[in-house]
Amino acid sequence: SQQGEEDPQALSIQEGENATMNCSYKTSINNLQWYRQNSGRGLVHLILIRSNEREKHSGRLRVTLDTSKKSSSLLITASRAADTASYFCATGRGSNYKLTFGKGTLLTVNP
Amino acid sequence: EADIYQTPRYLVIGTGKKITLECSQTMGHDKMYWYQQDPGMELHLIHYSYGVNSTEKGDLSSESTVSRIRTEHFPLTLESARPSHTSQYLCASYGQGTDTQYFGPGTRLTVL
Repeated sequence: SQQGEEDPQALSIQEGENATMNCSYKTSINNLQWYRQNSGRGLVHLILIRSNEREKHSGRLRVTLDTSKKSSSLLITASRAADTASYFCATGRGSNYKLTFGKGTLLTVNP
Repeated sequence: EADIYQTPRYLVIGTGKKITLECSQTMGHDKMYWYQQDPGMELHLIHYSYGVNSTEKGDLSSESTVSRIRTEHFPLTLESARPSHTSQYLCASYGQGTDTQYFGPGTRLTVL
């Protein structure tokens, strides 16, 4: 069964606004990662948060992790049109370095 | 930008053809992966490798096969393509130092 599930499935905002995407998962994890995918392209790694961390920042990105609720959120502040993409969460389990991806959130930032 | 390459980027072929999708990386990573992704959907792991001569099937059953004869090369083969194989195929490798996967640009396969 699917491990990660993003919410919302699609989000449309204006440039300059903040965008928040959520991810829920079902089983225990070692870490949770967020990736971005521009249309028709491969995935680009954004940020990794480990199971013993609660919050992490990278530039305009802020990720939180609540292991008790099995959920994570990705906040993009001061969004730009170039942030338009699909965003996926991926959970890493065990020591086998495999990731399980959610269905993604399609973010559209309107200029 | 990761040094992982996939060819071809786009492929349109007829049913029954044998195809090989190429994936190569220059980062010296031992672990490599193939994912299948339908438009607007999640990625499904179909094959992975932990090093030369090591290949395993992923979470999603696939009629494709893979080989790992060299560290930098992880090709995927379909012996007889069918329309149900139409999808995007993404290759990735794992960086031990960063604990993350690096993705190639993908191959969009259409089988007529």
